[in-house]
Amino acid sequence: DAKTTQPNSMESNEEEPVHLPCNHSTISGTDYIHWYRQLPSQGPEYVIHGLTSNVNNRMASLAIAEDRKSSTLILHRATLRDAAVYYCILRDAPGGGADGLTFGKGTHLIIQP
Amino acid sequence: GAVVSQHPSRVICKSGTSVKIECRSLDFQATTMFWYRQFPKKSLMLMATSNEGSKATYEQGVEKDKFLINHASLTLSTLTVTSAHPEDSSFYICSATGSYNEQFFGPGTRLTVL
Repeated sequence: DAKTTQPNSMESNEEEPVHLPCNHSTISGTDYIHWYRQLPSQGPEYVIHGLTSNVNNRMASLAIAEDRKSSTLILHRATLRDAAVYYCILRDAPGGGADGLTFGKGTHLIIQP
Repeated sequence: GAVVSQHPSRVICKSGTSVKIECRSLDFQATTMFWYRQFPKKSLMLMATSNEGSKATYEQGVEKDKFLINHASLTLSTLTVTSAHPEDSSFYICSATGSYNEQFFGPGTRLTVL
């Protein structure tokens, strides 16, 4: 799997937007960008994924750079329940693919009330 | 969305005993399930791939005789930690693959070996 780089931690205030960056300079043309998050003491949950175009769903938005070497997960209005570790993962399939996921260190998002 | 359950959610056992953890896909069939392990303040690490009706595939460094995996049906995979020791204490998480290869994760099982 191609490598991704994320900040170790970020802090934001409740009800403000949060922009979580991910660098993936070695991304291949067939790699999809996936985001998962893990709340404390829980299993990870899928957030969003995309290939080239920006994507929106009920949880978040994904902004992908034109050269695809970076992307940003956007939480439009953070709540305390969004405090989690966010993982940016590249996969050569729109879903998880046939193989297990490789998790990096992720970004620990802290939300201040 | 698809739901994956794990049982038990938490287990404490004595050193030398065996512990079985169940992973179930509740509203879909999963030909492939994965088992992960997570130590405190660390990321998830893939342990093995469980395929229905065939032998599991283990990641490098994971002892297949210690971590027995059985995937007897399309909705159930089990992980048995045999002869558990304190260093096996960890958070064990399973995931199941959906129709489009997306992964749905279980809530995890926290194992403490005394």
